Amino acid sequence: ELKVEQNPLFLSMQEGKNYTIYCNYSTTSDRLYWYRQDPGKSLESLFVLLSNGAVKQEGRLMASLDTKARLSTLHITAAVHDLSATYFCALGGATNKLIFGTGTLLAVQP
Amino acid sequence: NAGVTQTPKFQVLKTGQSMTLQCAQDMNHNSMYWYRQDPGMGLRLIYYSASEGTTDKGEVPNGYNVSRLNKREFSLRLESAAPSQTSVYFCASRTGGSYNEQFFGPGTRLTVL
Repeated sequence: ELKVEQNPLFLSMQEGKNYTIYCNYSTTSDRLYWYRQDPGKSLESLFVLLSNGAVKQEGRLMASLDTKARLSTLHITAAVHDLSATYFCALGGATNKLIFGTGTLLAVQP
Repeated sequence: NAGVTQTPKFQVLKTGQSMTLQCAQDMNHNSMYWYRQDPGMGLRLIYYSASEGTTDKGEVPNGYNVSRLNKREFSLRLESAAPSQTSVYFCASRTGGSYNEQFFGPGTRLTVL
């Protein structure tokens, strides 16, 4: 069974701190996606990772992919309150169906 | 471009009632998807359409039907709503090329009493 697991499920962090969200998956895939969701809103695409060793950065967020370990990480540098949201990773499966992780609720405290 | 649009934004149904959720995209994408999101969970795929004229079941299709009306529109129908179908429903469409990125609509919040 294809599984995508994120941890932690909830993360409370102080402004200015660094932290990493982990996304483990159970089968090989050639695409890994990261999305952001604000409360009551839709999903916003953050990163698309296509190959082993891929690293992408946008502002304070950096995503990486290790296909051999079946692991993707989303690293947050010097967190600010505006980054508070739920973050999802999703695996691109057969016929481009997405399998989502359960999400990580990030709360950045002043 | 409006991207992916969904109607209605909110709906309350009684058990046994039927309704259709509408989705349209103006990005000329071939593939479209319907997901549901339950509290504290990620999205789960209900149905998808790889191209106009084709539809296939996803992870949780029971209790739903879909219609790919044309390239732009993909509707989701609940024939006899049940409380277990209370959820937020998202429609998405997908780019082609190497990224195959999905773009999501604003969602429909459905409550079944």
